[in-house]
Amino acid sequence: SYELTQPPSVSVSPGQTARITCSGDALPKKYAYWYQQKSGQAPVLVMYEDSKRPYDIPERFSGSSSGTMATLTISGAQVEDEAGYYCFSTDSSGYHWVFGGGTKLTVL
Amino acid sequence: QVQLVESGGGVVQPGRSLRLSCAASGFIFSSYAMHWVRQAPGKGLEWVAVISYDGSNKYHADSVKGRFTISRDNSKHTLDLQMNSLRPEDTAVYYCAKAQLPLKIVAPADPWGQGTLVTVSS
Repeated sequence: SYELTQPPSVSVSPGQTARITCSGDALPKKYAYWYQQKSGQAPVLVMYEDSKRPYDIPERFSGSSSGTMATLTISGAQVEDEAGYYCFSTDSSGYHWVFGGGTKLTVL
Repeated sequence: QVQLVESGGGVVQPGRSLRLSCAASGFIFSSYAMHWVRQAPGKGLEWVAVISYDGSNKYHADSVKGRFTISRDNSKHTLDLQMNSLRPEDTAVYYCAKAQLPLKIVAPADPWGQGTLVTVSS
């Protein structure tokens, strides 16, 4: 079955840039989506269609995709950005969705 | 605003069945595909199933195919997940979520409900 691969953890100091990657064979043809999940809360969509940001998500969040890798970038990460981040996409059929394993972002 | 409220979770023995429901409000329910997603304790997110806005198309993850069935009642604004032959590894918080865009089954889940916990244990 299709898989998306993320690093288990990323750590940055406040104000630094955090980059979280997601690799998958279908990403050249399928969009990547990104969710933020803080402890005890439901996930929130922070990026859609590779690089589009929902209106209520801070501008420091951006996304990109090239080849088989999508990247979520947090420029000037804040302590409040500390959370789990999950990429989400479909397999080549377009109808079966899959999450990456998740990346724990630590900002301290 | 969009509200999604899951119910039906609880403790169930392996091999038994359970039916989850999600009550939706604050949007035109019949225009949006709906997802179920689960999260085992301390683990990552796992997509479970999606159903088209009119219920005509349904897709399930391989891990639940043949055991779980997603369905919807547009007249009642409810989404269901029938879970049969439950296994301990099905223990998770189950979230329902609205598709981001109307009339498209290929749309991500956004927003989500708060989830309901299912525990499969003898």
